[in-house]
Amino acid sequence: KAGVTQTPRYLIKTRGQQVTLSCSPISGHRSVSWYQQTPGQGLQFLFEYFSETQRNKGNFPGRFSGRQFSNSRSEMNVSTLELGDSALYLCASSRDGNNEKLFFGSGTQLSVL
Amino acid sequence: DAKTTQPPSMDCAEGRAANLPCNHSTISGNEYVYWYRQIHSQGPQYIIHGLKNNETNEMASLIITEDRKSSTLILPHATLRDTAVYYCIAPSYNQGGKLIFGQGTELSVKP
Repeated sequence: KAGVTQTPRYLIKTRGQQVTLSCSPISGHRSVSWYQQTPGQGLQFLFEYFSETQRNKGNFPGRFSGRQFSNSRSEMNVSTLELGDSALYLCASSRDGNNEKLFFGSGTQLSVL
Repeated sequence: DAKTTQPPSMDCAEGRAANLPCNHSTISGNEYVYWYRQIHSQGPQYIIHGLKNNETNEMASLIITEDRKSSTLILPHATLRDTAVYYCIAPSYNQGGKLIFGQGTELSVKP
């Protein structure tokens, strides 16, 4: 069974640009969550999608957005990139996300120059 | 989510048991305790979870005190590959995929 796949693995952008990251969950999983990890703030929850609807949201500005498709694949978008957006972005999936273990991908390392 | 408190770092000799403590004194009756670990530059990996009873799987054992205010993750025979940051989490029920990660415990397994 394939794990959670995130693409691309590495990305370099400049300030002001926008970026789209992709996440393919484990087959049969309908919940996809996104996390940001930085050395200073650690792992922080961005948002969760379940059956194409945003179900939970963390405390991030509106520049961070996401969506989920009918096949449960998810994308997150960051607009008007700032230097502080440099981070490892992790995606996790679970069957329905309630008191279940999450399966994480390897992440996308985003560098903003 | 119940607040969890873990020591920032621990050392363990290879082949010995690693006992990682976690305090979650504000945990409520329906909140599980989950443990994840993160090896450098990889995504977190689920280890084990429990509610009241002690649990064991192929990776580790989880001991939860009777009052549920603290727990201990036990890696019975630590190897160098167990060097990682270990996170103890007690998510509120019905929070879906939203987990609040603290700083965790950085475990160093030394030869």
